[in-house]
Amino acid sequence: EADIYQTPRYLVIGTGKKITLECSQTMGHDKMYWYQQDPGMELHLIHYSYGVNSTEKGDLSSESTVSRIRTEHFPLTLESARPSHTSQYLCASSRSGANVLTFGAGSRLTVL
Amino acid sequence: DAKTTQPTSMDCAEGRAANLPCNHSTISGNEYVYWYRQIHSQGPQYIIHGLKNNETNEMASLIITEDRKSSTLILPHATLRDTAVYYCIVRVTNAGKSTFGDGTTLTVKP
Repeated sequence: EADIYQTPRYLVIGTGKKITLECSQTMGHDKMYWYQQDPGMELHLIHYSYGVNSTEKGDLSSESTVSRIRTEHFPLTLESARPSHTSQYLCASSRSGANVLTFGAGSRLTVL
Repeated sequence: DAKTTQPTSMDCAEGRAANLPCNHSTISGNEYVYWYRQIHSQGPQYIIHGLKNNETNEMASLIITEDRKSSTLILPHATLRDTAVYYCIVRVTNAGKSTFGDGTTLTVKP
């Protein structure tokens, strides 16, 4: 039973479209993260947030942006999608004082 | 973060114990060892973590050497569903972001 939800699970869109990947968690976790993973490759942290109105860039540069207006919600937006953005995007959360990450099922994005 | 080194891949026979090693020779005193696994591009799943004592839960056991420079994740009776990529991560417990390396691809064979 998932406590962190990502939508959509799969998305195929054309170049230049704006997209938002949703991530919500019901655990009251303060910290949330976005990772990007290409097939067969390692996960790369692209954004993270330690609380409401706090967002930081991750280790891998990304053209996406994030917002954290509510504790439970951490959406990721691409203003103008390109084929190079084709990847899987994984959202995760953890509570303060611990470092155990809970991941969502992922959003697989294909940009044509 | 302390750097970790894991074998690229391992095989294990179904029903046997799977022992996955991890080297973390630069680990500092306040860093924990965490293990996650990722089954076929699903989101990674937390398995276990420890500081210096051996740990056991319903999924696995974690053995950390006395000098803490290496550890072993043990799946006592591997099943086909344990086929996955296993990641060893070293972090302080209250740190936020975690860095995942390449991990070990474990294949459990019938």
